[in-house]
Order: sequence, then structure tokens, then C-alpha cells
Amino acid sequence: SQQGEEDPQALSIQEGENATMNCSYKTSINNLQWYRQNSGRGLVHLILIRSNEREKHSGRLRVTLDTSKKSSSLLITASRAADTASYFCAVGKSGGSNYKLTFGKGTLLTVNP
Amino acid sequence: NAGVTQTPKFQVLKTGQSMTLQCAQDMNHEYMSWYRQDPGMGLRLIHYSVGAGITDQGEVPNGYNVSRSTTEDFPLRLLSAAPSQTSVYFCASSLWRSAETQYFGPGTRLLVL
Repeated sequence: SQQGEEDPQALSIQEGENATMNCSYKTSINNLQWYRQNSGRGLVHLILIRSNEREKHSGRLRVTLDTSKKSSSLLITASRAADTASYFCAVGKSGGSNYKLTFGKGTLLTVNP
Repeated sequence: NAGVTQTPKFQVLKTGQSMTLQCAQDMNHEYMSWYRQDPGMGLRLIHYSVGAGITDQGEVPNGYNVSRSTTEDFPLRLLSAAPSQTSVYFCASSLWRSAETQYFGPGTRLLVL
């Protein structure tokens, strides 16, 4: 399986601090995506980075991808209480007519006011 | 656009019963998929479809059937429910090949007694 593995499993920080979550995977990928899930809700797409990209930004989010180390990181700057959620990385792999997105187990982020 | 809709929101079944979880999207997406989410396990892919009439198995397909007769609908059938199928089920869709971002439905909570 090329399932992404997030680290840490849980992270607790104060409002205004930065939060960094990491994701590792096992095989080659086409892209890596990050999703957020608020408690009891569906997942919301945050950002996608392709295998030929090294860094992407979206608002307060910064994602890096190191294909040589098979790892990615998600940085949330100046965190807010509303950022409290579970964050999942997902690795995308396509071949022929098949495309699969495989999720990790997630990082639970708690931002304390 | 309603996006991705799922019904029912919550269901209780007895062991051995069958049921169909409904999923529909109004975004004309080619790719649709079903995941189950269990505590500590992240999301696991059950089945997916890259277009009407085409389906394929994911990571945990046993005990589930799918069909894709239209672009809009992708129902998931539990043939004979087992307690191990107690989970939260998410349907997702995306534009195939052109954008891999997945749009998730709100989920169906299933309890099998």
C-alpha cells in the first residue's frame, strides 16, 4: 500500500502559533493532497501538489513535497481556533484508466484560544 | 449546485439485512468513489468508478456492490450487513484526469447490530 502516514497523530497549539504536519508515503505518486475534516463532517479539499512540484501556497497554508524522501509537510501559519480539525494527506496514483486516492489516518489539530 | 449528496444520514441495520446507500452529484464529474472511515483507520477506498458503466474495486470491497448507470448516481449496496460494516461512509466525486480534487458528501453513519 502507498497509504500516506501522517505525523504527529495529534497536535495541540495556541492560537497564533504555526502548525506543521508531516506525511510520508511508500511508492511513486502523481500528486499528494491535503484535506481537512471538522468533527462529524465530510472532508474538504485544501491543496494539491503534483509530483513535479516542490512547494505550493494557498492563503495561510504552505505545502512542500520531497519525492526523494517520499514525504510532504503542511504548514498552517498564524493558526486560529477555527483551524481545529483533523487533517489528512492523500496520495494520488493513476495508471491506464485507473486512478486511486489513498488516505492516511490523519492528524488531529487542536488550536487553543 | 448541491454538490455531492448522500442519503440516508443515519441508518441502523440488523445483521443479515441489505440496504443501499445513495450518492448523487450534480457537477458532471466522471469519477466517483466510496470510502469508509473507522476510528484510527483513516479513510479506506471501497469501490470507485471512472465513468458510467465502469466500476472497479478499492482497498476493502468485500461485502459491497456498486453500479454506475448514470454519471450522476453511484449507489453502494450492502448485500448482507455485518457488525464489521458499522462505519461512516463517504461518497466523493472529481473531474477525472483534469483535476484530482475530491468533493465529499456529508457522510452516512451506519450501525449494524
